[in-house]
Amino acid sequence: DAEITQSPRHKITETGRQVTLACHQTWNHNNMFWYRQDLGHGLRLIHYSYGVQDTNKGEVSDGYSVSRSNTEDLPLTLESAASSQTSVYFCASSDLGEPSNEQFFGPGTRLTVL
Amino acid sequence: AQSVAQPEDQVNVAEGNPLTVKCTYSVSGNPYLFWYVQYPNRGLQFLLKYITGDNLVKGSYGFEAEFNKSQTSFHLKKPSALVSDSALYFCAVRVPGDGNNRLAFGKGNQVVVIP
Repeated sequence: DAEITQSPRHKITETGRQVTLACHQTWNHNNMFWYRQDLGHGLRLIHYSYGVQDTNKGEVSDGYSVSRSNTEDLPLTLESAASSQTSVYFCASSDLGEPSNEQFFGPGTRLTVL
Repeated sequence: AQSVAQPEDQVNVAEGNPLTVKCTYSVSGNPYLFWYVQYPNRGLQFLLKYITGDNLVKGSYGFEAEFNKSQTSFHLKKPSALVSDSALYFCAVRVPGDGNNRLAFGKGNQVVVIP
């Protein structure tokens, strides 16, 4: 079955370190999204991509970057981790073309920045 | 500007009673609206969506939602709640003007079904 996976599932790092969170989907979806989930804020969009070599900033993109070199993967990099980036991160994907298409979510990565 | 509002942080309901989770939106034009559910330590799962047509939309696990254009609402409902329905529920709307399907999510509602 097609799926979307994230790794690692849990990560503890120190302030100032670079961290990369992996997202891999086998749906062959063109659209991929990264969100962070924080209490009281719900899900907020960090970056998104509508295809290979396409990346766009979301509402909370400062301190994060993504790259899309193939259809299956959209890694999220924290350039210099900060305590404010302690959160649960979700990757999602959806099919291209129809605005009504729902997004499929990965299981999440819990990141703690000490 | 907040596109989606979920006014209640937590909804408590007795098992077997009707469950309602409220959502209002504030986008112009014809909205595409979604409900997702998140169980503990899991990712979000799609429940249902409203695109056009019948205002009452039926989804997974016995849930339904009613689109009300005049009240700009899209409340999620279930006639008889189960303990297993205890979870976090998110309402979402497609971002206006986005040619694809970027979504804006509400803050979420914690639903607690009491046995």
